[in-house]
Amino acid sequence: QVQLQESGPGLVKPSQTLSLTCTVSGGSINSGSYFWSWIRQPAGKGLEWIGRIYVSGNTNYNPSLKSRVTISVDTSKNQFSLKLSSVTAADTAVYYCAREGTAMAYNWFDPWGQGTLVAVSS
Amino acid sequence: DIQMTQSPSSLSASVGDRVTITCRASQSISNYLNWYQHKPGKAPKLLIYAASTLQSGVPSKFNGSGSGTDFTLTISSLQPEDFATYYCQQSYSTLTFGGGTKVEIK
Repeated sequence: QVQLQESGPGLVKPSQTLSLTCTVSGGSINSGSYFWSWIRQPAGKGLEWIGRIYVSGNTNYNPSLKSRVTISVDTSKNQFSLKLSSVTAADTAVYYCAREGTAMAYNWFDPWGQGTLVAVSS
Repeated sequence: DIQMTQSPSSLSASVGDRVTITCRASQSISNYLNWYQHKPGKAPKLLIYAASTLQSGVPSKFNGSGSGTDFTLTISSLQPEDFATYYCQQSYSTLTFGGGTKVEIK
């Protein structure tokens, strides 16, 4: 079955850009009508949806992060990526990638990656 | 954004207990509501989508109900593998999650 795995630096300096990649295995990122999403969870806080991309390249972002977020896809590598610019300590979180299924206007995340902790600190 | 409020934030229960978790939306979301189970260090797992549809492979002891603003997740006969944190999530508009309910062993 499809599995997702996040990768990237675990430590980013303030004001720099956080970059993460999600590798999809067990299936093609091109197959089916799926979106590919990023979600994060700061320690002790709730989950926050960051944004999504379709294989066509169309993106949607959470308005609260839109000015700093870029999500891209590389179908040749079966990967999609997240860039979050001008990070601060508030961006310290576990970052998850997930496949977003959709049917009859309903959307859900399944499956998810295990998550990767990114700390913002000098 | 639509705010999702879960209650309780944590609960203690025994194996075999029936557990009910509540999720309330700040405005009507019809039945655009999903439930997830999350264990530490693991990937979150989809349990229920569209408020009451059981995801394939998820045991029938999980039951979701509700529409509009009020939703519930019920776990009948709690088993050791069910101790986890449960989240609701709305897909009516910009996706948002509840704060989670941690189900612990009594």
